Amino acid sequence: DTGVSQNPRHKITKRGQNVTFRCDPISEHNRLYWYRQTLGQGPEFLTYFQNEAQLEKSRLLSDRFSAERPKGSFSTLEIQRTEQGDSAMYLCASSPLGGVDYNEQFFGPGTRLTVL
Amino acid sequence: AQRVTQPEKLLSVFKGAPVELKCNYSYSGSPELFWYVQYSRQRLQLLLRHISRESIKGFTADLNKGETSFHLKKPFAQEEDSAMYYCALSGKGAQKLVFGQGTRLTINP
Repeated sequence: DTGVSQNPRHKITKRGQNVTFRCDPISEHNRLYWYRQTLGQGPEFLTYFQNEAQLEKSRLLSDRFSAERPKGSFSTLEIQRTEQGDSAMYLCASSPLGGVDYNEQFFGPGTRLTVL
Repeated sequence: AQRVTQPEKLLSVFKGAPVELKCNYSYSGSPELFWYVQYSRQRLQLLLRHISRESIKGFTADLNKGETSFHLKKPFAQEEDSAMYYCALSGKGAQKLVFGQGTRLTINP
């Protein structure tokens, strides 16, 4: 499968625990995005990487959230001291730097986080 | 402020009837507009974008800068069109997407 993959697909954790999600973009895509989607809402932007550089972060991304893309390939999103309000679907997307698909974002299946 | 508004959370039409999903946006500048679709148990995927000016699966959308709208239309709905539809915008240069809240379209047989 050459699409965007995300792991785990589901995560249940207790309040106060740390969680880490992984996203593997389409291999030739330079850009990688993280979004969060809560029930009944559209995805909301969290952060964006071009290669290994984190170019933009949303104000939604509190100090408890950190994202990395150390080698410009896969990315991780960590949430520290989780809160019940963090329960959501976390989506990853990637896009190429140029070409006909340059402004199309290809989405992964998402990681559903439930904080008890 | 960048904002996308989809006024209908739910839309239900009969098979063969025309369908229009509304989308209005707020953006200072010239945005790029998109429609993304999510079929049951599938991931979010691009349906069409305004710069391509193409018809996909019988759907079209015209960017109306005067009314700041990008409504999605199809003249004859089919049952397989039932899905969640999201309107989204981005600035020039493949930046982040700003999504509307989505419209769940149900096509009744």
